[in-house]
Amino acid sequence: AQKITQTQPGMFVQEKEAVTLDCTYDTSDPSYGLFWYKQPSSGEMIFLIYQGSYDQQNATEGRYSLNFQKARKSANLVISASQLGDSAMYFCAMRVVMDSSYKLIFGSGTRLLVRP
Amino acid sequence: DVKVTQSSRYLVKRTGEKVFLECVQDMDHENMFWYRQDPGLGLRLIYFSYDVKMKEKGDIPEGYSVSREKKERFSLILESASTNQTSMYLCASSQQQGLRSPLHFGNGTRLTVT
Repeated sequence: AQKITQTQPGMFVQEKEAVTLDCTYDTSDPSYGLFWYKQPSSGEMIFLIYQGSYDQQNATEGRYSLNFQKARKSANLVISASQLGDSAMYFCAMRVVMDSSYKLIFGSGTRLLVRP
Repeated sequence: DVKVTQSSRYLVKRTGEKVFLECVQDMDHENMFWYRQDPGLGLRLIYFSYDVKMKEKGDIPEGYSVSREKKERFSLILESASTNQTSMYLCASSQQQGLRSPLHFGNGTRLTVT
Protein backbone atom coordinates (compact mmCIF):
# COMPACT_ATOMS: atom_id res chain seq x y z
CA ALA A 1 0.00 0.00 0.00
CA GLN A 2 1.14 3.53 -0.74
CA LYS A 3 1.32 5.49 2.48
CA ILE A 4 2.96 8.45 4.19
CA THR A 5 3.44 8.45 7.95
CA GLN A 6 4.18 11.48 10.09
CA THR A 7 4.45 10.35 13.69
CA GLN A 8 4.81 13.77 15.32
CA PRO A 9 1.44 15.50 15.67
CA GLY A 10 3.11 18.53 17.25
CA MET A 11 6.57 19.89 17.93
CA PHE A 12 8.17 22.86 19.62
CA VAL A 13 11.47 24.48 18.71
CA GLN A 14 13.30 27.49 20.07
CA GLU A 15 13.81 30.37 17.68
CA LYS A 16 17.13 30.16 15.80
CA GLU A 17 17.53 26.45 16.49
CA ALA A 18 17.26 23.66 13.93
CA VAL A 19 14.36 21.20 13.91
CA THR A 20 13.72 17.89 12.14
CA LEU A 21 10.25 16.80 11.11
CA ASP A 22 9.92 13.08 10.50
CA CYS A 23 8.38 11.39 7.49
CA THR A 24 8.39 7.76 6.47
CA TYR A 25 6.83 6.41 3.32
CA ASP A 26 5.75 3.07 1.98
CA THR A 27 5.72 2.15 -1.67
CA SER A 28 6.88 -0.75 -3.78
CA ASP A 29 7.40 1.47 -6.82
CA PRO A 30 11.02 2.29 -7.67
CA SER A 31 10.01 5.70 -9.02
CA TYR A 32 8.39 8.28 -6.79
CA GLY A 33 8.69 11.89 -5.74
CA LEU A 34 8.68 13.24 -2.22
CA PHE A 35 7.44 16.71 -1.30
CA TRP A 36 7.11 18.86 1.77
CA TYR A 37 4.45 21.51 2.12
CA LYS A 38 3.89 24.21 4.73
CA GLN A 39 0.41 25.31 5.71
CA PRO A 40 0.23 28.47 7.82
CA SER A 41 -2.94 29.42 9.64
CA SER A 42 -4.05 31.31 6.53
CA GLY A 43 -4.76 27.92 4.93
CA GLU A 44 -2.64 28.01 1.80
CA MET A 45 -0.41 24.99 1.16
CA ILE A 46 3.05 26.23 0.21
CA PHE A 47 5.45 23.96 -1.66
CA LEU A 48 8.83 23.83 0.11
CA ILE A 49 11.08 21.14 -1.30
CA TYR A 50 11.21 18.10 -3.59
CA GLN A 51 13.27 14.89 -3.61
CA GLY A 52 13.19 12.33 -6.41
CA SER A 53 13.66 8.66 -5.69
CA TYR A 54 16.68 8.50 -7.98
CA ASP A 55 18.29 11.71 -6.77
CA GLN A 56 21.72 10.98 -5.35
CA GLN A 57 22.00 14.11 -3.26
CA ASN A 58 19.71 15.41 -0.56
CA ALA A 59 17.59 18.32 -1.71
CA THR A 60 18.14 21.77 -0.23
CA GLU A 61 16.17 25.00 -0.59
CA GLY A 62 17.44 27.86 1.52
CA ARG A 63 16.88 26.95 5.17
CA TYR A 64 15.09 23.73 4.21
CA SER A 65 16.85 20.47 3.54
CA LEU A 66 15.54 16.98 3.07
CA ASN A 67 17.33 14.12 4.80
CA PHE A 68 16.59 11.32 2.34
CA GLN A 69 17.39 7.80 3.53
CA LYS A 70 16.10 5.51 0.83
CA ALA A 71 16.86 2.21 2.54
CA ARG A 72 14.90 3.33 5.60
CA LYS A 73 12.20 4.91 3.43
CA SER A 74 12.45 8.16 5.31
CA ALA A 75 12.38 11.74 4.05
CA ASN A 76 12.78 14.01 7.03
CA LEU A 77 12.58 17.78 6.68
CA VAL A 78 15.25 19.82 8.44
CA ILE A 79 14.62 23.50 9.06
CA SER A 80 17.73 25.39 10.11
CA ALA A 81 17.73 28.61 12.14
CA SER A 82 14.00 28.50 12.92
CA GLN A 83 12.03 31.71 12.67
CA LEU A 84 8.72 32.68 14.26
CA GLY A 85 7.17 32.63 10.80
CA ASP A 86 7.97 28.93 10.52
CA SER A 87 5.14 28.15 12.93
CA ALA A 88 2.69 26.19 10.79
CA MET A 89 1.48 22.73 9.82
CA TYR A 90 3.93 20.74 7.72
CA PHE A 91 2.87 17.96 5.40
CA CYS A 92 4.99 15.29 3.79
CA ALA A 93 3.65 13.93 0.50
CA MET A 94 4.58 11.29 -2.04
CA ARG A 95 3.75 11.30 -5.73
CA VAL A 96 3.37 7.90 -7.32
CA VAL A 97 1.65 6.33 -10.29
CA MET A 98 -1.60 4.71 -9.25
CA ASP A 99 -4.22 3.40 -11.67
CA SER A 100 -2.32 4.99 -14.58
CA SER A 101 -2.47 8.43 -12.98
CA TYR A 102 -0.05 10.46 -10.91
CA LYS A 103 -1.38 10.72 -7.38
CA LEU A 104 -0.10 12.82 -4.49
CA ILE A 105 -0.54 11.10 -1.14
CA PHE A 106 -0.29 13.18 2.03
CA GLY A 107 0.65 12.39 5.59
CA SER A 108 -1.45 13.64 8.47
CA GLY A 109 0.89 16.54 9.20
CA THR A 110 3.03 17.92 12.01
CA ARG A 111 2.22 21.18 13.75
CA LEU A 112 5.40 23.15 14.46
CA LEU A 113 5.45 25.95 17.00
CA VAL A 114 8.52 28.18 17.17
CA ARG A 115 9.08 29.74 20.58
CA PRO A 116 10.67 33.20 20.88
CA ASP B 1 4.41 32.96 -9.39
CA VAL B 2 1.52 30.60 -9.84
CA LYS B 3 -1.73 31.90 -8.53
CA VAL B 4 -4.58 29.59 -7.67
CA THR B 5 -7.66 31.46 -6.54
CA GLN B 6 -10.61 29.97 -4.74
CA SER B 7 -13.66 32.17 -4.89
CA SER B 8 -14.70 31.91 -1.24
CA ARG B 9 -12.72 31.59 2.00
CA TYR B 10 -15.75 30.71 4.10
CA LEU B 11 -19.13 29.29 3.13
CA VAL B 12 -22.11 28.26 5.22
CA LYS B 13 -24.75 26.16 3.50
CA ARG B 14 -27.78 24.16 4.55
CA THR B 15 -28.24 20.43 4.24
CA GLY B 16 -29.62 19.54 0.82
CA GLU B 17 -28.40 22.68 -0.94
CA LYS B 18 -26.43 22.46 -4.16
CA VAL B 19 -23.01 24.00 -3.57
CA PHE B 20 -20.47 25.26 -6.09
CA LEU B 21 -16.82 25.78 -5.17
CA GLU B 22 -14.88 27.65 -7.82
CA CYS B 23 -11.17 27.56 -8.55
CA VAL B 24 -9.18 29.52 -11.12
CA GLN B 25 -5.47 29.28 -11.97
CA ASP B 26 -3.54 31.79 -14.02
CA MET B 27 -0.55 29.74 -15.22
CA ASP B 28 -2.07 27.74 -18.06
CA HIS B 29 -1.62 24.51 -16.12
CA GLU B 30 -3.03 21.36 -17.63
CA ASN B 31 -3.77 19.61 -14.36
CA MET B 32 -6.17 20.63 -11.62
CA PHE B 33 -7.21 18.92 -8.42
CA TRP B 34 -9.72 19.14 -5.59
CA TYR B 35 -8.83 17.92 -2.11
CA ARG B 36 -10.60 18.01 1.20
CA GLN B 37 -8.70 18.38 4.42
CA ASP B 38 -9.89 17.09 7.78
CA PRO B 39 -8.01 17.05 11.09
CA GLY B 40 -5.96 13.90 11.55
CA LEU B 41 -6.71 12.68 8.03
CA GLY B 42 -4.45 14.90 5.99
CA LEU B 43 -5.56 15.76 2.46
CA ARG B 44 -7.70 13.40 0.45
CA LEU B 45 -8.19 13.64 -3.29
CA ILE B 46 -11.77 14.09 -4.46
CA TYR B 47 -11.44 14.63 -8.22
CA PHE B 48 -8.82 15.72 -10.68
CA SER B 49 -8.61 16.77 -14.30
CA TYR B 50 -5.79 16.54 -16.82
CA ASP B 51 -7.53 18.49 -19.55
CA VAL B 52 -10.59 20.53 -20.42
CA LYS B 53 -13.79 18.51 -20.16
CA MET B 54 -11.84 15.63 -18.70
CA LYS B 55 -12.28 14.40 -15.12
CA GLU B 56 -11.11 11.50 -13.04
CA LYS B 57 -12.32 10.26 -9.68
CA GLY B 58 -9.96 10.48 -6.77
CA ASP B 59 -10.12 8.58 -3.53
CA ILE B 60 -13.37 10.00 -2.14
CA PRO B 61 -15.59 11.15 -5.03
CA GLU B 62 -18.93 10.12 -3.50
CA GLY B 63 -21.29 13.04 -3.11
CA TYR B 64 -19.24 15.29 -5.39
CA SER B 65 -18.98 16.12 -9.05
CA VAL B 66 -16.73 18.48 -11.01
CA SER B 67 -16.78 20.62 -14.10
CA ARG B 68 -13.93 21.82 -16.29
CA GLU B 69 -15.29 23.78 -19.22
CA LYS B 70 -12.24 26.02 -19.51
CA LYS B 71 -8.59 25.24 -18.89
CA GLU B 72 -8.18 27.77 -16.10
CA ARG B 73 -11.31 26.91 -14.15
CA PHE B 74 -12.18 23.80 -12.17
CA SER B 75 -15.41 23.68 -10.19
CA LEU B 76 -16.36 21.31 -7.41
CA ILE B 77 -20.08 20.63 -7.00
CA LEU B 78 -21.84 19.21 -3.99
CA GLU B 79 -25.10 18.00 -5.50
CA SER B 80 -26.91 17.84 -2.15
CA ALA B 81 -24.78 19.05 0.72
CA SER B 82 -24.64 16.98 3.88
CA THR B 83 -23.16 17.71 7.29
CA ASN B 84 -20.35 15.20 6.74
CA GLN B 85 -19.13 17.40 3.90
CA THR B 86 -18.23 20.12 6.36
CA SER B 87 -14.53 20.50 5.71
CA MET B 88 -11.71 22.58 4.28
CA TYR B 89 -11.55 22.27 0.49
CA LEU B 90 -8.31 22.92 -1.34
CA CYS B 91 -7.88 23.37 -5.07
CA ALA B 92 -4.51 22.81 -6.72
CA SER B 93 -2.91 22.89 -10.14
CA SER B 94 0.29 21.55 -11.67
CA GLN B 95 2.09 22.28 -14.88
CA GLN B 96 2.45 18.75 -16.05
CA GLN B 97 1.93 15.18 -15.13
CA GLY B 98 4.97 13.49 -13.68
CA LEU B 99 6.59 12.65 -10.42
CA ARG B 100 8.58 15.89 -10.16
CA SER B 101 5.85 18.41 -10.78
CA PRO B 102 4.70 20.09 -7.56
CA LEU B 103 1.10 21.03 -6.94
CA HIS B 104 0.32 24.67 -6.29
CA PHE B 105 -2.58 25.26 -3.94
CA GLY B 106 -5.16 27.93 -3.36
CA ASN B 107 -5.99 29.39 0.05
CA GLY B 108 -8.79 26.96 0.67
CA THR B 109 -12.53 27.23 1.23
CA ARG B 110 -13.83 26.34 4.65
CA LEU B 111 -17.32 24.96 4.13
CA THR B 112 -19.80 24.45 6.93
CA VAL B 113 -22.99 22.53 6.23
CA THR B 114 -25.69 22.95 8.87
